[in-house]
Amino acid sequence: NAGVTQTPKFQVLKTGQSMTLQCAQDMNHNSMYWYRQDPGMGLRLIYYSASEGTTDKGEVPNGYNVSRLNKREFSLRLESAAPSQTSVYFCASSELGGELYEQYFGPGTRLTVT
Amino acid sequence: AQKITQTQPGMFVQEKEAVTLDCTYDTSDPSYGLFWYKQPSSGEMIFLIYQGSYDQQNATEGRYSLNFQKARKSANLVISASQLGDSAMYFCAMFRYGGSQGNLIFGKGTKLSVKP
Repeated sequence: NAGVTQTPKFQVLKTGQSMTLQCAQDMNHNSMYWYRQDPGMGLRLIYYSASEGTTDKGEVPNGYNVSRLNKREFSLRLESAAPSQTSVYFCASSELGGELYEQYFGPGTRLTVT
Repeated sequence: AQKITQTQPGMFVQEKEAVTLDCTYDTSDPSYGLFWYKQPSSGEMIFLIYQGSYDQQNATEGRYSLNFQKARKSANLVISASQLGDSAMYFCAMFRYGGSQGNLIFGKGTKLSVKP
C-alpha cells in the first residue's frame, strides 16, 4: 500500500497563476482532508470531504476550491495564486468509526508563490 | 471554540533521559480524541499516540505515553529514554466533530532537540 500520495512535491508559481494539487489514498478511507502548514504554525484545515460527493470548508478556505473526484482522490485548486498561499500543503485521510480516528498524512507539497 | 495550546516552543533533553511535552486543550464537547504527531525535518507527519476522552487509562505506545488529565484538560506526551532520532517537531491535536464528520485541530508545536 502506498498510503496517501501527493503530487507535485514542489511547485513555484507566479502571482495570479492557477494550479491543482493532487491527492490519492489507497486505504479505502471515506474522509479526506487538505491542510496547510505555515512556519511556526501547526496545520490548519482548508477543506475536508466526509465522503465521496461531499465537501465542507475548514478554517482557512478562502482562495481555494476542492473536488472529491471519487473515493480515492481529493484535489485542491488555487485559481489565482497569491504570495500568502506560500505554504506546505498536506493531504490526509481517515476512516471514522470505533477508535479509528487516526489521520494518515501524505508527504506534503511545498508551494512557493512569487 | 476548540483550541490546542502548546506552551513550549522548544525543548532540550539529554539522550536516554525522559521528556514531557505539554499540551492543553479547550472544548465543550464531551466526546473527543487527542493525538500526538511527530514531524521530523524531512517534513512528513507521523502518528504517535491517541487518547479518547472516555478512555480510563492513559495511552501508551512503546516509549510514548500520554499523561491524560481530563479535569485539567491536559494531554502531555512523555517520551522515555530519548534517542537522537526523536529530535523533531511534535504536534498535539484534538479531533472534533464538525458538521457531518470530524477534523483535527493542531497546536503550534514543540521543537524537541535531543543532545548526545
